[in-house]
Amino acid sequence: QSALTQPASVSGSPGQSITISCTGTSSDVGGYNYVSWYQQHTGKTPKLMIYDVSNRPSGVSNRFSGSKSGDTASLTISGLQAEDEADYYCSSYSSSSTLEVFGTGTKVTVL
Amino acid sequence: QVQLVQSGAEVKKPGASVKVSCKASGYTFTSYFMHWVRQAPGQGLEWMGLINPNSGSTNYAQKFQGRITMTRDTSTSTVYMELSSLRSEDTAAYFCARDQRGFGAHLDYWGLGTLVTVSS
Repeated sequence: QSALTQPASVSGSPGQSITISCTGTSSDVGGYNYVSWYQQHTGKTPKLMIYDVSNRPSGVSNRFSGSKSGDTASLTISGLQAEDEADYYCSSYSSSSTLEVFGTGTKVTVL
Repeated sequence: QVQLVQSGAEVKKPGASVKVSCKASGYTFTSYFMHWVRQAPGQGLEWMGLINPNSGSTNYAQKFQGRITMTRDTSTSTVYMELSSLRSEDTAAYFCARDQRGFGAHLDYWGLGTLVTVSS
């Protein structure tokens, strides 16, 4: 089971919006609405930001939103802030022999 | 408050085994699945498998089949992950994380990680 494909890096200026893509196949992202997104600051534990494609856990800013089209899921961060600078990972349920698969990760830089 | 407290760092030689523990508190232990995720230095997250603390049933990533074992002790609300036949590529931080559903995981609480170093 290969990792889901994410861009290595995305950058934006404060206040802008950015979108991170997460591309899989019909056996994972495209086949199920079980995509999650995690934020990981350097040296810290991952934090759940989005689950089931577009749901936000309690306490997560509404500047973070998720969506999906076909085999590609997306995380959008609006009103970019310095504190958003981190690594972001998607994950998805998979019908293959490996139940869950993570994305390759995207480093978000706030210019 | 929910806490997942992991065991301390380990240094192992190639070919050895390591057993990492994760003690849960602040919630009903048997109501949430526990996943294990690892992260090699400077690399991304990798899903290793999960255990259902209620039944003890497990599901392992194909990559680790044959050399990974997850167990639980309900009397102490602790789950264990043992990885055998260690090689240098297994050097990583190993995280436990809970999930209510067991599939389509959304891991809402994570342990701080256990660093396992494999070196001769």
